[in-house]
Amino acid sequence: DTGVSQNPRHKITKRGQNVTFRCDPISEHNRLYWYRQTLGQGPEFLTYFQNEAQLEKSRLLSDRFSAERPKGSFSTLEIQRTEQGDSAMYLCASSDPQGGGNTIYFGEGSWLTVV
Amino acid sequence: DQQVKQNSPSLSVQEGRISILNCDYTNSMFDYFLWYKKYPAEGPTFLISISSIKDKNEDGRFTVFLNKSAKHLSLHIVPSQPGDSAVYFCAASAYFGNEKLTFGTGTRLTIIP
Repeated sequence: DTGVSQNPRHKITKRGQNVTFRCDPISEHNRLYWYRQTLGQGPEFLTYFQNEAQLEKSRLLSDRFSAERPKGSFSTLEIQRTEQGDSAMYLCASSDPQGGGNTIYFGEGSWLTVV
Repeated sequence: DQQVKQNSPSLSVQEGRISILNCDYTNSMFDYFLWYKKYPAEGPTFLISISSIKDKNEDGRFTVFLNKSAKHLSLHIVPSQPGDSAVYFCAASAYFGNEKLTFGTGTRLTIIP
């Protein structure tokens, strides 16, 4: 499978705990994105990387959220001191604009439930 | 504010007929538009796109129409098949090559056998 891979697929955590999600993009895709989707809404942009550089962050990304892509390959999204409002599906996506592709390809998402 | 709007939360269509999903946008800077399909518990899957220099793009059973003056686009699926039952999201970006997408809230399409 050469698609975007995310894990864990599901995470249930207690309020106040930290959680980390990992994303492995499509091989050689230099752009990597994080989106969040809540019930009844479309995905909302959180942040994106060009290789290892984080180029843009949404105002939705509070200081409890941090994303990294240390070697320009996989990425992690960490949420510290989780709150019930963080419950959502976190989607990772990748693209290769330099290769001529303008399409963003999404992974299957990581569901977070904060109890 | 909702810059991309899908005003129909759901749509039911008989198998074999045409499905028409609509999307409106407010940001005149948007010039690249995409449709994604999403099954439950999965990530969105790209279907078809259109840039603002065109008013129609076709790919098999899927056709997207863009009316820039009305800030409106639509997705036509013909003929509709049971496997098309899913949630469809319209998305837009501010300039070609910037894939930071703004999504609508989705339309749940149900194809009735």
